Amino acid sequence: AQTVTQSQPEMSVQEAETVTLSCTYDTSESNYYLFWYKQPPSRQMILVIRQEAYKQQNATENRFSVNFQKAAKSFSLKISDSQLGDTAMYFCAFMKHSTYGQNFVFGPGTRLSVLP
Amino acid sequence: EPEVTQTPSHQVTQMGQEVILRCVPISNHLYFYWYRQILGQKVEFLVSFYNNEISEKSEIFDDQFSVERPDGSNFTLKIRSTKLEDSAMYFCASEPVGVQETQYFGPGTRLLVL
Repeated sequence: AQTVTQSQPEMSVQEAETVTLSCTYDTSESNYYLFWYKQPPSRQMILVIRQEAYKQQNATENRFSVNFQKAAKSFSLKISDSQLGDTAMYFCAFMKHSTYGQNFVFGPGTRLSVLP
Repeated sequence: EPEVTQTPSHQVTQMGQEVILRCVPISNHLYFYWYRQILGQKVEFLVSFYNNEISEKSEIFDDQFSVERPDGSNFTLKIRSTKLEDSAMYFCASEPVGVQETQYFGPGTRLLVL
């Protein structure tokens, strides 16, 4: 079974600074997908960024980028130029590769506070 | 931009009562999911649904739970006899067919069992 670990229950960062959230996972699969979801106080789950395991290039999405280390099974999220609106719970998630219809396995989350 | 919707946004019920949570997935999606999140905890998979049948379910999804797609647009989760520990946020998600992309989540239904 797959497991996802986020070792930082809470983090804070000053506005405009950079912060990195950690995620490690355990799987015997060779091909899979990794995701970061953001959950603001409204509790809506919002996709931040997605990485396909067979791609060596790290995904980027505007101010968000990942450091994907497949051998180490590590998938960290870097937020540059942090904004107050980035304050949220961040969940790392794993999905097995399949044709379709696979469920997510989520980590326990990291609560990020961006301070003015 | 199309989105997944869920109703109601909040529901309060008495222990032992039946509840039905409703979801309208994105119209061209054919894979549907329910997840739950107990307050302060991680999001947990409940069940996936495709072609009018359950394709996978977790150990949480016991006989008290059922899902159906009654009319081709709604996707419902029924809890037959609610327990206190069913209090949680319930998220519906849908996924398009063709290229495995990602799941699009609804805003959630906050269920409180008293």
